[in-house]
Amino acid sequence: KAGVTQTPRYLIKTRGQQVTLSCSPISGHRSVSWYQQTPGQGLQFLFEYFSETQRNKGNFPGRFSGRQFSNSRSEMNVSTLELGDSALYLCASSSTGFGGEKLFFGSGTQLSVL
Amino acid sequence: GESVGLHLPTLSVQEGDNSIINCAYSNSASDYFIWYKQESGKGPQFIIDIRSNMDKRQGQRVTVLLNKTVKHLSLQIAATQPGDSAVYFCAENPGGATNKLIFGTGTLLAVQP
Repeated sequence: KAGVTQTPRYLIKTRGQQVTLSCSPISGHRSVSWYQQTPGQGLQFLFEYFSETQRNKGNFPGRFSGRQFSNSRSEMNVSTLELGDSALYLCASSSTGFGGEKLFFGSGTQLSVL
Repeated sequence: GESVGLHLPTLSVQEGDNSIINCAYSNSASDYFIWYKQESGKGPQFIIDIRSNMDKRQGQRVTVLLNKTVKHLSLQIAATQPGDSAVYFCAENPGGATNKLIFGTGTLLAVQP
């Protein structure tokens, strides 16, 4: 089974631009979560999707948004990029949305904002 | 944010020794815990998990211990190998119908040959 796939692997943007990151979960997995990883703040939860519905959201501004499609693939969008948005963005999938399950992570998208 | 990563503790061990990595979790209602290993340039890789109704679980060369009284987790790695060198994170699920995880700071494990 293929793992969680995230594209692109690397991205360079300038302040004020917007960006869209993509995540394909493990085949058959229905829950997708997104995390931001920075050296200063560690791994922080962004949001969680299950059956195309956002079920949970972390403490991030409204510039961060996401969605999930009917095939469970997910995208996240960051608008009006700031320097502080530079980070590794990780997507994770799990098989159901019942809670308390293993999350399997992709390799992430490294976003640099200049 | 809910996860603070201001300082990464380091554990240095000799190849072949046993390693113990500790973690304090924050929420007494958390009912599921996971240890992840993250190598440079990769996403976190699942190692082992434990539910709150257990206090010990063993895998291949790894053991997780859970002490709910003091909200403490530990990961024991037997016969540590150079390939075990990585950052290790504990994570807690706060319970309920969510797969949200709250991650600890992380510990860098450096294995000396």
